[in-house]
Amino acid sequence: KQEVTQIPAALSVPEGENLVLNCSFTDSAIYNLQWFRQDPGKGLTSLLLIQSSQREQTSGRLNASLDKSSGRSTLYIAASQPGDSATYLCAVFNQGGSEKLVFGKGTKLTVNP
Amino acid sequence: DGGITQSPKYLFRKEGQNVTLSCEQNLNHDAMYWYRQDPGQGLRLIYYSQIVNDFQKGDIAEGYSVSREKKESFPLTVTSAQKNPTAFYLCASSMGQIHYEQYFGPGTRLTVT
Repeated sequence: KQEVTQIPAALSVPEGENLVLNCSFTDSAIYNLQWFRQDPGKGLTSLLLIQSSQREQTSGRLNASLDKSSGRSTLYIAASQPGDSATYLCAVFNQGGSEKLVFGKGTKLTVNP
Repeated sequence: DGGITQSPKYLFRKEGQNVTLSCEQNLNHDAMYWYRQDPGQGLRLIYYSQIVNDFQKGDIAEGYSVSREKKESFPLTVTSAQKNPTAFYLCASSMGQIHYEQYFGPGTRLTVT
């Protein structure tokens, strides 16, 4: 059974710092991995989608990497801003059998001015 | 504007009543999904539909029902059989089920007392 883990559960950094959020998954048989942002009481906003054949994706100050063989992904945020404060969720789309998105519990990021 | 709408944003019901949550998308997406989010837990899949007039159970379908009569609409009914219905419900859609990015609506917070 696929399990997705995000560590740490919460992270607090000063504004301007570069930071890395971690995501690990137990089964490497995935189609893709998606990173989302969720603000309190809101829906999820898709940030980046990495297909299983890709190593990384970039969007603005965000860069996501994928190492399928080791079951790891990282989301790098450059020059963090208070507006980046949110919960970041990682999800993998399983291959075979139960084909669905499996979510981690998220990392709650606070960027302090 | 293209997107996914969910209504209402907040919903209050008495125990024993059925309630229907609305989800509409104008993205021309084939696949639609319902997730449930509880504090401290990852999102869990309730039902999904890859095409009109077809849908499949997710991990926690008991006590829920859906219909997919139109491509744009995927309403979720929370029945009185659902033991713990109070939660944040999120609807999502994607072009297809596999390999495609999922986009989420703003969510409906259901409180049953």
